[in-house]
Amino acid sequence: AQKITQTQPGMFVQEKEAVTLDCTYDTSDPSYGLFWYKQPSSGEMIFLIYQGSYDQQNATEGRYSLNFQKARKSANLVISASQLGDSAMYFCAMRELIRTGANSKLTFGKGITLSVRP
Amino acid sequence: GAGVSQSPSNKVTEKGKDVELRCDPISGHTALYWYRQSLGQGLEFLIYFQGNSAPDKSGLPSDRFSAERTGGSVSTLTIQRTQQEDSAVYLCASSFGSGGSLNEQFFGPGTRLTVL
Repeated sequence: AQKITQTQPGMFVQEKEAVTLDCTYDTSDPSYGLFWYKQPSSGEMIFLIYQGSYDQQNATEGRYSLNFQKARKSANLVISASQLGDSAMYFCAMRELIRTGANSKLTFGKGITLSVRP
Repeated sequence: GAGVSQSPSNKVTEKGKDVELRCDPISGHTALYWYRQSLGQGLEFLIYFQGNSAPDKSGLPSDRFSAERTGGSVSTLTIQRTQQEDSAVYLCASSFGSGGSLNEQFFGPGTRLTVL
């Protein structure tokens, strides 16, 4: 079974500063993928970044980077140069990579609310 | 638009009534997922379709929930005899495949269901 833990309470960051959103996970699968999604108040889930368990380098996507520490089972999202539009809920998720079918479903954490202050 | 679409966007119903929620996946995507998001919570997997194969219903919370996917495209999630605890946002996602590396799931805007 897979489990995602996001325990930070609501996070606040000053505009233009960097912020780290924590995510720890647990799985017995040798091959897995980690995802971060953003959910603004409008409700849609927006894919931000992906990290495969065997990727040699940490993923980066524009202002988003993933601090992947496999031994610690953590996959923290770093947002650089925060913008007001970054205010949203952020979800960490994971899934197996080898098996298909419903094993490809995403397992989500409970999310973190980020508020960017002007 | 080319994204996943869902209808209705909002649905208010009375306890005990049946509701149908619709999902149109991205054209060419063979995998389709339904998730449920209760207030302030993460997403909970409900059901998965791959093409025309029989769905995996392992996440459905009760036999009041069912879903079908016609022609390997549009999907309908049906909740019979709705209960107040069914109130949630129901999200549909599709992906090109279901295994391998990225196979990013693209989400629709969701249907907000309120059971009075």
